[in-house]
Amino acid sequence: DVKVTQSSRYLVKRTGEKVFLECVQDMDHENMFWYRQDPGLGLRLIYFSYDVKMKEKGDIPEGYSVSREKKERFSLILESASTNQTSMYLCASSLPGGLTGELFFGEGSRLTVL
Amino acid sequence: GESVGLHLPTLSVQEGDNSIINCAYSNSASDYFIWYKQESGKGPQFIIDIRSNMDKRQGQRVTVLLNKTVKHLSLQIAATQPGDSAVYFCARPSGGGADGLTFGKGTHLIIQP
Repeated sequence: DVKVTQSSRYLVKRTGEKVFLECVQDMDHENMFWYRQDPGLGLRLIYFSYDVKMKEKGDIPEGYSVSREKKERFSLILESASTNQTSMYLCASSLPGGLTGELFFGEGSRLTVL
Repeated sequence: GESVGLHLPTLSVQEGDNSIINCAYSNSASDYFIWYKQESGKGPQFIIDIRSNMDKRQGQRVTVLLNKTVKHLSLQIAATQPGDSAVYFCARPSGGGADGLTFGKGTHLIIQP
C-alpha cells in the first residue's frame, strides 16, 4: 500500500516562529503536493513538486516555501508563522501524467499559530 | 479557470437510505473527475473517477453520474452505512500542465441511525 507520512499530527507554534512540516512517501512517486484545508474552503493547493529540486506555486503560495531535496521527501516551510496560517495541512503524492488522477494523502498536520 | 463546487455543505440521511451528493463545475476543459472521501482525522481517499466519455460509472455501492450538458456530477451511495459518514469532495485536474487537483468545498454526510 502507498503510504504518505506526515511527521507531526499536531503542532502549536507562536507568531513569528519558523515552522517545518515534513512529508515522506514510500511509493517512488514523482509528484508531491501540499494543500491546506479550512472549513468552508475545502482543499487549496499551496505548492507542488514534480521532481527533485523542482517546485511550482499553487493557488495560495504566499507565506510558504517548500523543499524537495530527495524524491521521497517534500517539506513545507513557514518562514514566519502567522495566526492566519492556523490550518490543517495535507501532503499528497501521485504518479506523473495524471494517468489516474489519484492523489495519495497523508493524515494531515494540524497547525495552530498563537 | 478550473473550478468545482458542491451544492450543500451538509447532508443528513437515514441509515439504509441512498445518498446523493452533488457537484457542479464551471467549464468543460477537463475530461476527468474524481470523488474523494475524508473520514474524521484522516486524509482524503480516492473513491471513484469518471472520464467525460462516460455518463455513468459504478463501483461497490457507489455510482457516479456525469451530465455534461448541465455540467453536473453526482455521487450516489446505495444503502448508506455508518461507515459512510465522512466529508466527500469532488475534484478535477487543475490544468495548466500541472498534475494536481482542484477540489470542491466538500459535503459532510451525516448518517442518522
